[in-house]
Order: sequence, then C-alpha cells, then structure tokens
Amino acid sequence: GQNIDQPTEMTATEGAIVQINCTYQTSGFNGLFWYQQHAGEAPTFLSYNVLDGLEEKGRFSSFLSRSKGYSYLLLKELQMKDSASYLCAVRSSFSGGYNKLIFGAGTRLAVHP
Amino acid sequence: SQTIHQWPATLVQPVGSPLSLECTVEGTSNPNLYWYRQAAGRGLQLLFYSVGIGQISSEVPQNLSASRPQDRQFILSSKKLLLSDSGFYLCAWSPWNREGEKLFFGSGTQLSVL
Repeated sequence: GQNIDQPTEMTATEGAIVQINCTYQTSGFNGLFWYQQHAGEAPTFLSYNVLDGLEEKGRFSSFLSRSKGYSYLLLKELQMKDSASYLCAVRSSFSGGYNKLIFGAGTRLAVHP
Repeated sequence: SQTIHQWPATLVQPVGSPLSLECTVEGTSNPNLYWYRQAAGRGLQLLFYSVGIGQISSEVPQNLSASRPQDRQFILSSKKLLLSDSGFYLCAWSPWNREGEKLFFGSGTQLSVL
C-alpha cells in the first residue's frame, strides 16, 4: 500500500522560515511533488524531486531522501499570501509504464504578522 | 498551450439525484486524465484515472463512475447522489508516460448534496 504523512497544521511569522516535512511509504516510487492550495482553489505546482538532494526555486526549496522516504518543503521570507495548504504527493509507477499521483492530507500553514 | 476546462464551478443537488461533471483538455493528445475528490479540510483522494479512451481505473469503491468517450474528455457521473458525495471535485491531466511531468488541475467543482 501507500502512505503519506505530513503535519496537519503549522503557524509561522511573516518574514520567517518554515519547514514542512513529509514521510512516505510507497512501491514503485517515481518522484515527489509539492503543491500549494489556497482555500477553494485548485492546487498549483511548486516543486518536483526525483533524485536525492535539494531543489531550490526562489523562496521555495524542496529536499528528498529516497532511502529515508522523507521530503521537506522549505519556505523562506514568509509572506502573508503564503498562508495556504501544502500538499505532498508521491508518484508511483505501475505496469505498462503509467504513473499516478497520490496526495497526502496536506499541511495548513497560517502566516501571521 | 494546453488548457483544462471543468464545469460547473458549483453545484447543489438533492440526495438521490443524478450527477454529471465534465472535463475537457485542449492542446495535447492522449493525456492521462484523473478525477480527485477533496472533502472539507481533507487531502485529495484519487477517484479515477484513465490512460486512454474507454480505459478507466477506479481507486476506491464508491457511488460514482467515470467515462472517457473521447481522447480529451473525462466525465464523472452518479445515478443517485449520497450526502457523503459532497466535496470539491478536481479534474487533472498529465502528459502520457513522461518523466517529471506534473499534474495540471482544472478549477474544480464544489458539490453540495443536500
């Protein structure tokens, strides 16, 4: 089976740094994604990791350790607009070379002044 | 460029009524197509995925069904809605069999079953 765990809620202060962790257990691992979702809206893509290490994209960075089944999303210089849910998603390969993306429950981040 | 259209944006339906949500993708061929549901305050649950016309895989047993009558059209249906079918429904697509490709989501349908 597949299991993805991330904290339910986090709070942080504007201008600070926050790290959102994600652990997973899956077969046929073929990449890990982070999405941002504001309330009532569709998720938007933030980052993708398939190899171990850190991927940096502006204020957002994502790290992956495949041996540990672990990833984190790092948000720097937090802004009020970063208040949203952050979804960790694992892509698994299955027979025929097709992939599907399974999401964690998401972490609701509240940024306050 | 590729676009995904999903409608309606909101829907209020009585228990026992039928449901049809439609999703179309433009600007690409042979996409993988997905239906997800998100209950209030919860994560995204994969309901159905399709790798081609007429090919539907169901992830969880439920009161819903999906069909793909055309390459870029994906329909979510129910004959009789239940209260538990309420939620935010998202259609998504990804390029077929491409490494590193993310999901692109439609704008979602907020379904309330009363």
